[in-house]
Amino acid sequence: DAKTTQPTSMDCAEGRAANLPCNHSTISGNEYVYWYRQIHSQGPQYIIHGLKNNETNEMASLIITEDRKSSTLILPHATLRDTAVYYCIVRVSNTGNQFYFGTGTSLTVIP
Amino acid sequence: GAVVSQHPSRVICKSGTSVKIECRSLDFQATTMFWYRQFPKQSLMLMATSNEGSKATYEQGVEKDKFLINHASLTLSTLTVTSAHPEDSSFYICSAGGTTSNQPQHFGDGTRLSIL
Repeated sequence: DAKTTQPTSMDCAEGRAANLPCNHSTISGNEYVYWYRQIHSQGPQYIIHGLKNNETNEMASLIITEDRKSSTLILPHATLRDTAVYYCIVRVSNTGNQFYFGTGTSLTVIP
Repeated sequence: GAVVSQHPSRVICKSGTSVKIECRSLDFQATTMFWYRQFPKQSLMLMATSNEGSKATYEQGVEKDKFLINHASLTLSTLTVTSAHPEDSSFYICSAGGTTSNQPQHFGDGTRLSIL
């Protein structure tokens, strides 16, 4: 079962930062937080992942709270192509590294 | 980067037909692959873990005789939907890679299965 909760939907103005929250209060100490996004009728695309420290790559930044019970994905300058469903996933570490997807957040970037 | 390829991308067939979907890792070896199913406006649901050279591990509620998985090589896993019926119509997606928890999985582009 998914160990994350996310808002169902969010809007963001084009060019502004999109901040997508995720709660994972039951996360274990060695479990990573992963973010993927899915554009309609395509497979999920990897964005970023982290364990404790904040992470940044060319796509986004990931901010993980000190207690690791929540995180925020930041798209610094949202474009129309960032409109997608964003999934926050806690990777199960004790049974085979499976991904159990939650409901995700449908992000709409508005012109 | 790592690429996972699925084939076919779309299939339409009559009820009672068996359909095979292929998942290939193109530039890396994958001892483990995963199969998901996604219904319209819903999230991805993990169906099974495909293990190279051994039996697949199915999630609770997934019929192993209905969804046959074969992982005969380090770059290919197949999912066969046997005697498909309209309720099996769905978007099937595979993933591979990420054998440790600190490595991402990479997903194929999915197969849209429509049973008439």
